[in-house]
Amino acid sequence: AQRVTQPEKLLSVFKGAPVELKCNYSYSGSPELFWYVQYSRQRLQLLLRHISRESIKGFTADLNKGETSFHLKKPFAQEEDSAMYYCALSESETSGSRLTFGEGTQLTVNP
Amino acid sequence: GAVVSQHPSRVICKSGTSVKIECRSLDFQATTMFWYRQFPKKSLMLMATSNEGSKATYEQGVEKDKFLINHASLTLSTLTVTSAHPEDSSFYICSALGGQTNEKLFFGSGTQLSVL
Repeated sequence: AQRVTQPEKLLSVFKGAPVELKCNYSYSGSPELFWYVQYSRQRLQLLLRHISRESIKGFTADLNKGETSFHLKKPFAQEEDSAMYYCALSESETSGSRLTFGEGTQLTVNP
Repeated sequence: GAVVSQHPSRVICKSGTSVKIECRSLDFQATTMFWYRQFPKKSLMLMATSNEGSKATYEQGVEKDKFLINHASLTLSTLTVTSAHPEDSSFYICSALGGQTNEKLFFGSGTQLSVL
């Protein structure tokens, strides 16, 4: 069965510092990986997906199949990045269906 | 962008009663919706996949007679927690598959269920 692990429940950095939110997965097939974000009092929303290979709000994530990781990175964190971040895995490469979520990392960016 | 409306946002009920939660796609049609459950400071756990016009597909360990799902139209899926007990208290979230090629997942704002 697939599994997503986010080892850090809490992560705190200062504004302007680099930030990396770790995500590791286990899945025997070829997965599709996502990062979802939930800002305070807002609903969960897609941040980025690995097949898009795009940078959203300065965040990037590279799928490393050898290390089975999909870490989320941003070179210079901003206060508005403070939120809950969830890494998620989908079995299908054609849709974001049946997601398996990690437990989430609460990121706090201090001024 | 696409919006998914979930109602109610919060409900308190007595043990033994049933509670219905609605999930609506407001500006798009969703043939597939998903229901998740989230415990405090825990991950979202997929409960079931709701398909319009057919029976829902439940994940292993989820009681289908306990959590009734109905997806009668392309914009509405409902989750009914039957004979609720305190252990059913949780945060329930729905999501709907949308986008040009059904490649995007849009989430509702969730329902906090408290069973007394």
